Amino acid sequence: KAGVTQTPRYLIKTRGQQVTLSCSPISGHRSVSWYQQTPGQGLQFLFEYFSETQRNKGNFPGRFSGRQFSNSRSEMNVSTLELGDSALYLCASSLASEGQPQHFGDGTRLSIL
Amino acid sequence: QKEVEQDPGPLSVPEGAIVSLNCTYSNSAFQYFMWYRQYSRKGPELLMYTYSSGNKEDGRFTAQVDKSSKYISLFIRDSQPSDSATYLCASYTGNQFYFGTGTSLTVIP
Repeated sequence: KAGVTQTPRYLIKTRGQQVTLSCSPISGHRSVSWYQQTPGQGLQFLFEYFSETQRNKGNFPGRFSGRQFSNSRSEMNVSTLELGDSALYLCASSLASEGQPQHFGDGTRLSIL
Repeated sequence: QKEVEQDPGPLSVPEGAIVSLNCTYSNSAFQYFMWYRQYSRKGPELLMYTYSSGNKEDGRFTAQVDKSSKYISLFIRDSQPSDSATYLCASYTGNQFYFGTGTSLTVIP
């Protein structure tokens, strides 16, 4: 069974630009969550999508947005990039039943110059 | 106070040692507990998954949950250099997962 696939693996952008990251969940998984991981802060929750609807949202500014398609694939968009947005962005999928664990992709490493 | 607290280490042990990794949590509503292992340049990999209190064993790994003290532990027996990674504890409630910041472990051959 294929795991969670994230593309691209690496991205270099400059301040002010925008970026879109993509995530394909494990087949059958309907919940997709996005996290930002940095050395100092660890994993910080961005948002979760289930059945094309945002079900939970973390404490990130509106520059961070996402969406989920009918096939459960998800995209995350960051507009007006800032230097502090440099991080590893991780996508995780789960069956979305009570307490089912999340499975992560290998992330997209975003660097802002 | 973060929902899940974890000592970041780093922790360095000789090959063959027993490793103990620990987390505490604050929300008594947590029922599901997980441990993930993350190698450099990779995403977190699910290692152990437990429900409520008690122990769960899988090969060299044992996960332990003590709900009375809100304490989560992961024990690694006969540690190997390939166990060198960052270990993250996690819990779940209300459709959201909460992660510790991770403990960096190095097993020295």
